[in-house]
Amino acid sequence: QKEVEQNSGPLSVPEGAIASLNCTYSDRVSQSFFWYRQYSGKSPELIMSIYSNGDKEDGRFTAQLNKASQYVSLLIRDSQPSDSATYLCAAGRANAGKSTFGDGTTLTVKP
Amino acid sequence: NAGVTQTPKFQVLKTGQSMTLQCAQDMNHNSMYWYRQDPGMGLRLIYYSASEGTTDKGEVPNGYNVSRLNKREFSLRLESAAPSQTSVYFCASNGQGNQPQHFGDGTRLSIL
Repeated sequence: QKEVEQNSGPLSVPEGAIASLNCTYSDRVSQSFFWYRQYSGKSPELIMSIYSNGDKEDGRFTAQLNKASQYVSLLIRDSQPSDSATYLCAAGRANAGKSTFGDGTTLTVKP
Repeated sequence: NAGVTQTPKFQVLKTGQSMTLQCAQDMNHNSMYWYRQDPGMGLRLIYYSASEGTTDKGEVPNGYNVSRLNKREFSLRLESAAPSQTSVYFCASNGQGNQPQHFGDGTRLSIL
């Protein structure tokens, strides 16, 4: 079992819909969780960080964390074609020296 | 605002050749990382350096060596390149393991 698992996708949604991306992690002592967006041929860029249980909103993006269920999600409201990318989930803890990445979910938003 | 700078951006090698990929960050980060990403795949950690003076193996270290030259610079060396090492290589850095990573633009490496 991978330490961080994501829906393999691909995920396709119509423009204006809500896209829901899911991630589970196995290391119970993980403290921090990140969502990165990676456009084709580009490097990953951070879009959301979440450290506490509950929801965190930033514009059209909402990250949700449930430590009891070891589950992290990213919701993208009013999806736009420009949101089409691969989304990477990562989990980290200070004394591990590194984060662990999932394999990513590819999202396509169709006009 | 340079962030994480990787050189070169593209490189073509012949099997058996050696080369060093360079990475430098200007954010005073303690930790630095090297990943490879094959087409359609996720990131795989090759080596990382949690702090200056330390390096540790990641998921796929075979065929690679690293040097943490100073706090800013972390290089990745291929001693004898093989076609299986054709990939995109990303360098990243952060303050410590539970902080988000900042990525360089990547090095696209082809080995013939």
